[in-house]
Parts: sequence; C-alpha cells; structure tokens
Amino acid sequence: EVQLVESGGGLVQPGGSLRLSCAASGFTFTNYAMSWVRQAPGKGLEWVAGITASGGSTSYADSVKGRFTISRDSSKNTLYLQMNSLRAEDTALYYCAKDMEWLVSFDLWGQGTLVTVSS
Amino acid sequence: SSELTQDPAVSVALGQTVRITCQGDSLRSYYPSWYQQKPGQAPVLVIYGKNNRPSGIPDRFSGSSSGKTALLTITGAQAEDEGDYYCKSRDSSGNHLKFGGGTKLTVL
Repeated sequence: EVQLVESGGGLVQPGGSLRLSCAASGFTFTNYAMSWVRQAPGKGLEWVAGITASGGSTSYADSVKGRFTISRDSSKNTLYLQMNSLRAEDTALYYCAKDMEWLVSFDLWGQGTLVTVSS
Repeated sequence: SSELTQDPAVSVALGQTVRITCQGDSLRSYYPSWYQQKPGQAPVLVIYGKNNRPSGIPDRFSGSSSGKTALLTITGAQAEDEGDYYCKSRDSSGNHLKFGGGTKLTVL
C-alpha cells in the first residue's frame, strides 16, 4: 500500500526540541522529493521545508529557517524533521508529503502528527 | 509580493458551477496546485500543472491560470465537494512554496 506515516509528535516546552519521522512505503522513496507541511489548529496550511530526491538540496520557510532541519534516510525509507528552539507558534499538525517533482505538487500525504509547544 | 490570496468563503447551489480564485505575483511564472481538505482529513491534490487531475479526481474539477490569477472550477458541484480548498505555488524566488489562505466551499 502506498502510504506515509508520521510519528514523533508530542508535548514539548518552549525552547525544547523534537524530531519527527515519516515512514514511506509502496513507492520508490529515493525517486521523489519530500516536504513537511504544518497546520496550526483551526488555521490554513503552511509549507515548512522540502528536500530533493537525492537529499542534496533543501529549502525552508523563513519562519523555521535556522531552527528546523529536514533530512532523509534512503536505507530506512524515512523522512525526518529535526525541530529545535521550539516556540508556541510552532504548535500544529505536521504532515509529510510526497512531491511529484521538486517543489511542484504533493500527490501523497500522511495523516499528520501533532506537535504542541507549551509550558 | 510572494503571497497567494484567496477568498475566505464561497458557496454554490448543488449542481451549479463555482470558481475559486487564487491571486499572486508568482502565478505569472508558476502554475499552482490545488488541494481539497475535508474536516479531520489530510489534504488531497485535485489539480496540478496547467490543468491536470490526479487519478481518481472527478472531471468536474478543472484549473486555469492567466496573469496573476488562477482559478479552480467545479462544474456541477456535488455535496461531497464541500471543504476547504488551498492553492499552492512557488514564491517569486522559485525556491520556496507558499499556500493561499484557503477558501471554504459550501454546497447549498
């Protein structure tokens, strides 16, 4: 079955860190760019970060640049998002998404993992 | 500006045609993608590129773009088309992605 399954969300204090994972299955993971997209409660979608199929290039939204790092492990078919210096405004449901081409269209989404930043 | 602007809400009578608008300078250079999101669910891609539908998306969904304005058209809207619709495109730099604020579609 073609799917993406996120994990690693939870409650973290402001200034803390968290690493999200996204396990891919049912397609050739190494052929596709991937991204993270988040959605704050009751709000719209916000693109967070993207990584090329090879992992050689990355891109970040200004709101997370310098605090978040996107990476991938082709041996595990897994996408990661390392989140440091977390803020209350980072509270959101985080989705991973498969890109048809680099920064083009997301044709497969996971169900999301919830990150709550609160003291 | 790298922003994408959408009307917050649109309504349509059952079986009628509705157009959802997305505006932004980057649309002069890049085609948008359109996503449908229903409550409690992940977004689903409905239109990408010039006017392409992924497998499984009904042909009542279509897309067009001219200048800084892109349209998602639903011809013969159905009750199951209710939800939030987001456009997405690269920003003017070409190195980042932006989503529009979303349009809530109500089918009356």
